[in-house]
Amino acid sequence: AQTVTQSQPEMSVQEAETVTLSCTYDTSENNYYLFWYKQPPSRQMILVIRQEAYKQQNATENRFSVNFQKAAKSFSLKISDSQLGDTAMYFCAFMKPFGNTPLVFGKGTRLSVIA
Amino acid sequence: DGGITQSPKYLFRKEGQNVTLSCEQNLNHDAMYWYRQDPGQGLRLIYYSQIVNDFQKGDIAEGYSVSREKKESFPLTVTSAQKNPTAFYLCASSTGTNLRHEQYFGPGTRLTVT
Repeated sequence: AQTVTQSQPEMSVQEAETVTLSCTYDTSENNYYLFWYKQPPSRQMILVIRQEAYKQQNATENRFSVNFQKAAKSFSLKISDSQLGDTAMYFCAFMKPFGNTPLVFGKGTRLSVIA
Repeated sequence: DGGITQSPKYLFRKEGQNVTLSCEQNLNHDAMYWYRQDPGQGLRLIYYSQIVNDFQKGDIAEGYSVSREKKESFPLTVTSAQKNPTAFYLCASSTGTNLRHEQYFGPGTRLTVT
């Protein structure tokens, strides 16, 4: 079974600074997908960024980027130029490489952006 | 607008009563999922369904039941056998034709059992 570990329960960052959230996972699959989801105080889950394991290039979406280290089974999220609206719970998630399969989530990191 | 709706947003029940949480989607997605969220636990899978009239148990299915009679609907029943039903419940859906493999989430239902 796959497991996802987020070792930082809480983090804080000053507005406009950069922060990195950690995620490691365990799987015997060679191909898979990894995601970061954001859950703001409204509790609506929002997809931030995704990465296919077969792609060596790290995914980027505006201020969000990942550092994907397949051999180390590590998938960290970097948020640049942090904004107050980035305050949220962030969940790392794993998906097997087939369509319509469930996500396996980490326990989350609560990020607070401080003005 | 296409999306996923969950109702109600807040639900209160007495211990020993069964309760059904609604989840409807108009995205024409084949698959639907139920996750449970507890503080410090992340999201855990209860049940999922990849096609109508078929569903699979997740990691924490005990005390829950589901049905999938229509593509648009995937209701979750929390039975009196569920030892700790108070939690936040999230429904999601996905389509295998979406190359992003993204799951779309509803706004959630907060269930409180006393």
